[in-house]
Amino acid sequence: AQSVTQPDIHITVSEGASLELRCNYSYGATPYLFWYVQSPGQGLQLLLKYFSGDTLVQGIKGFEAEFKRSQSSFNLRKPSVHWSDAAEYFCAVDEEDTPLVFGKGTRLSVIA
Amino acid sequence: SQTIHQWPATLVQPVGSPLSLECTVEGTSNPNLYWYRQAAGRGLQLLFYSVGIGQISSEVPQNLSASRPQDRQFILSSKKLLLSDSGFYLCAWSDLLPPPAGTSTDTQYFGPGTRLTVL
Repeated sequence: AQSVTQPDIHITVSEGASLELRCNYSYGATPYLFWYVQSPGQGLQLLLKYFSGDTLVQGIKGFEAEFKRSQSSFNLRKPSVHWSDAAEYFCAVDEEDTPLVFGKGTRLSVIA
Repeated sequence: SQTIHQWPATLVQPVGSPLSLECTVEGTSNPNLYWYRQAAGRGLQLLFYSVGIGQISSEVPQNLSASRPQDRQFILSSKKLLLSDSGFYLCAWSDLLPPPAGTSTDTQYFGPGTRLTVL
């Protein structure tokens, strides 16, 4: 069965700084990959997804993610973080015909 | 456009009491439906999913159950709540696209969640 690892439980960045959230998966073939964001007390919102094609995926709110098959990674990036980006971020993996598997999440704090 | 509703938004229940959380989806037909629980520090745990009316798959054995009485309605229930049932419950839906060339995708869209506190 596939698994998803988000090695950073909590990250703090300064407003305006760049951001990279890590996600690694274990799965034999190329999975479908997702990033979701959850603001406090809210549901999850889809940021972006990768199914095939260009390995650099653009999402909403200025986020992007790059699929690297050789590293089994799908890291989320943003060049300049805004205070409103403070939230919890979840990476998820989909194997064909099975439900999504989520990582445990990375909480992002943004300081002035 | 599609929307997903959950209620109640918050709920405080005593141990041993019953539970019923409701989730409905608008703007789509025959969606896949999911219940997740989110406990502090444990990420999202898939509890149940359903691919059609009356079809429920359980991912984790526990004292919770799910039902799908209508196409776009998904209910999470318990006869007797435990302290460990406290958490944030999320409903999600997806349109599983038909498989061209043997592939399928499963983009899930989430509701606003229900915060359950069992005392």
